[in-house]
Amino acid sequence: DAGVIQSPRHEVTEMGQEVTLRCKPISGHNSLFWYRQTMMRGLELLIYFNNNVPIDDSGMPEDRFSAKMPNASFSTLKIQPSEPRDSAVYFCASSRTGVDYGYTFGSGTRLTVV
Amino acid sequence: AQRVTQPEKLLSVFKGAPVELKCNYSYSGSPELFWYVQYSRQRLQLLLRHISRESIKGFTADLNKGETSFHLKKPFAQEEDSAMYYCALSSGGYNKLIFGAGTRLAVHP
Repeated sequence: DAGVIQSPRHEVTEMGQEVTLRCKPISGHNSLFWYRQTMMRGLELLIYFNNNVPIDDSGMPEDRFSAKMPNASFSTLKIQPSEPRDSAVYFCASSRTGVDYGYTFGSGTRLTVV
Repeated sequence: AQRVTQPEKLLSVFKGAPVELKCNYSYSGSPELFWYVQYSRQRLQLLLRHISRESIKGFTADLNKGETSFHLKKPFAQEEDSAMYYCALSSGGYNKLIFGAGTRLAVHP
């Protein structure tokens, strides 16, 4: 298995533009998590899914953020419109509920909004 | 409230010195605790979990329920141990992890 795959690795965009981050979890994992990492706040849980259903999105900072998981092998995190304070590294992680509590993280997407 | 506290942002030691990265937690149930490591510009990797009682790369961590702590220890630090270390608490039935703010370990030659 190639692990959790995120794309793109780097994204530079202008303020006001729409940004879409993508994640492919490990096959067989039924939980998927989106985290944001910044120097100031560390790792913040934004939203997580179980069996493709959003369970808790209370960490999503604003309505500008949205996430979807249309099927077991794909999830997106969208920011529209983007702002400079959204600049961060966004990580996706997946796990199998009840079997192995450890996550497998993706390599992250480094987002820079100018 | 569920919370993980890592009081030190930076821990700086010399090679060969003992290391202890502190982690305290707040959780009403029976905790599942983990340490994750992130080397420079890489993905987070699971280092160890308390339930396994294992030693990885010379690191150990013991859950102390009385002190609500899960400190990470290594008797002799190596330069390659320099990284960001996150303590995490599993919360709820969906494997949701709550992370501490992280401690950067810098091991100098």
